[in-house]
Amino acid sequence: AQRVTQPEKLLSVFKGAPVELKCNYSYSGSPELFWYVQYSRQRLQLLLRHISRESIKGFTADLNKGETSFHLKKPFAQEEDSAMYYCALSRNYGGSQGNLIFGKGTKLSVKP
Amino acid sequence: DTAVSQTPKYLVTQMGNDKSIKCEQNLGHDTMYWYKQDSKKFLKIMFSYNNKELIINETVPNRFSPKSPDKAHLNLHINSLELGDSAVYFCASSQWDGDTEAFFGQGTRLTVV
Repeated sequence: AQRVTQPEKLLSVFKGAPVELKCNYSYSGSPELFWYVQYSRQRLQLLLRHISRESIKGFTADLNKGETSFHLKKPFAQEEDSAMYYCALSRNYGGSQGNLIFGKGTKLSVKP
Repeated sequence: DTAVSQTPKYLVTQMGNDKSIKCEQNLGHDTMYWYKQDSKKFLKIMFSYNNKELIINETVPNRFSPKSPDKAHLNLHINSLELGDSAVYFCASSQWDGDTEAFFGQGTRLTVV
């Protein structure tokens, strides 16, 4: 079964602390994985995807096929990072990257 | 020049009513989607349309009927609204072939009372 699991519903850290939001997936094919972020009362935005292997706003995520994980990391959290983070898997029918299976989301709260 | 826009932003209605949510994208994408975000913030795809044709219908009740008059629009009509339909509905668009990401609208918060 295709599934995305985010085990933490809420993650609370202090400013300047390292952050790791966990994501595990189950997918029979070759997965395309994404992290989306939703700031308070705003639209969902793409944060990063594994194929681009880039760092956005200091966040990075590495696809580990052996552990079927795509954890999101940032060495030093900032208050403006407080948001809801969703890990997502593209089922990629015909190449479309909008057919997404989302995890249940992790709310990151960064305290001053 | 919003990329994906939904109207209305908020919708409060009584049980049993019929309502529609509109979505328009100006990105030139050929694929559009509706997602539902429930009270626990869980996001799940409902429908996907490619070039005005239904591609995905994820076990959504028949009371939900998407309509795509053209590639740039995907409207969601809901009949006989129930309390459990209360959620935030997100429209999204992407290009079927290619490496483009999916862009989401700002969401429509539907409250059924």
